[in-house]
Amino acid sequence: AQSVTQLDSQVPVFEEAPVELRCNYSSSVSVYLFWYVQYPNQGLQLLLKYLSGSTLVKGINGFEAEFNKSQTSFHLRKPSVHISDTAEYFCAVSFSGGYNKLIFGAGTRLAVHP
Amino acid sequence: GAVVSQHPSWVICKSGTSVKIECRSLDFQATTMFWYRQFPKQSLMLMATSNEGSKATYEQGVEKDKFLINHASLTLSTLTVTSAHPEDSSFYICSASRAPRDEQYFGPGTRLTVT
Repeated sequence: AQSVTQLDSQVPVFEEAPVELRCNYSSSVSVYLFWYVQYPNQGLQLLLKYLSGSTLVKGINGFEAEFNKSQTSFHLRKPSVHISDTAEYFCAVSFSGGYNKLIFGAGTRLAVHP
Repeated sequence: GAVVSQHPSWVICKSGTSVKIECRSLDFQATTMFWYRQFPKQSLMLMATSNEGSKATYEQGVEKDKFLINHASLTLSTLTVTSAHPEDSSFYICSASRAPRDEQYFGPGTRLTVT
């Protein structure tokens, strides 16, 4: 079965520290991979995406993610977080070769403390 | 570009009434629109996919008679929750794509509370 797993429901971190949010997926077919951010009571904003090509993907707000096919992972990283990065982060996968039929992970709450 | 709006942003209704939520693509034509439901502190669950001018495709377990979706134009899709009950209270999010396999652009969501 195709699935997306975000291993951490909450990640507390101090301001200016590095952070990694983990995402693993299960699939026997090619996938498109996405990270979205959701601020309180708002919709989702696309941070970055992997469709093909370079496995290291850079997104907005200083985030980047690396696609690792052998480990079926797409972890999100930022070298130095800010208070404003506090939000819910969702990993999503499209198993159907396009952007449609996105399957979302359960989300990771990133809490940045001063 | 690629802005999606939802109206209302929040709504409170009484049990047994129906409520309509609008999703609009403001600066592009959306051939395909999606409706998601999000429970507190949980992920988004796809409810249905709608293509302009045709009937929506509902995900397994979603009651099509309860959640009526209309995609009457290339810029507007509506979700009507019929005979709402407290368990329908949730955050409903729509997204829109220019084409069926194109990137989805998400609306800000509508919080529905049924009393």
